[in-house]
Amino acid sequence: QQPVQSPQAVILREGEDAVINCSSSKALYSVHWYRQKHGEAPVFLMILLKGGEQKGHDKISASFNEKKQQSSLYLTASQLSYSGTYFCGTGRHSGYALNFGKGTSLLVTP
Amino acid sequence: ETGVTQSPTHLIKTRGQQVTLRCSSQSGHNTVSWYQQALGQGPQFIFQYYREEENGRGNFPPRFSGLQFPNYSSELNVNALELDDSALYLCASSYTGLVKGETQYFGPGTRLLVL
Repeated sequence: QQPVQSPQAVILREGEDAVINCSSSKALYSVHWYRQKHGEAPVFLMILLKGGEQKGHDKISASFNEKKQQSSLYLTASQLSYSGTYFCGTGRHSGYALNFGKGTSLLVTP
Repeated sequence: ETGVTQSPTHLIKTRGQQVTLRCSSQSGHNTVSWYQQALGQGPQFIFQYYREEENGRGNFPPRFSGLQFPNYSSELNVNALELDDSALYLCASSYTGLVKGETQYFGPGTRLLVL
């Protein structure tokens, strides 16, 4: 039930773009994106609930294709503060728990 | 508005001992979920409490148990500690726990080391 994230790690220069993918083999109700910095709690970024829904927050946006059970997180014009590990958490129709992927480590360099 | 708080921040125990971790939910939230995060892994769902009752449980043995109090704070108890229990334990609160896809807000976690 654990969603699969790709890539596992990515290194960017400041100002470059990145895409992080999250896919599940099970039908999903929701996808939740979090960013976690070393030694800190995961910080909520956004939640997507409907098929084909897209959301954006500053230069971070995401899409959710309910039919394909896939979500993508888009980071544009990356900033140093974007560095961290990004997790997708997936919610199923059958309950309230979130299943998290193993995370994507993102490092933005000057 | 206060965020999710957890105590203690760090804990060292020996195999076979018991441990209690505590969590105070964010103001206005009545649901608490507990997650275990091993090093280099994503959080794994342990269980969720809504209005003092367990509202769902992940694939964890019965020696992991919990409580929720009338003020919506919560405890995670782990008996007969094993070395593999060493992890970051995260508490997350949400508004109702009854809405699918509801946002969960995480606390800073308790790092448990079992020797």
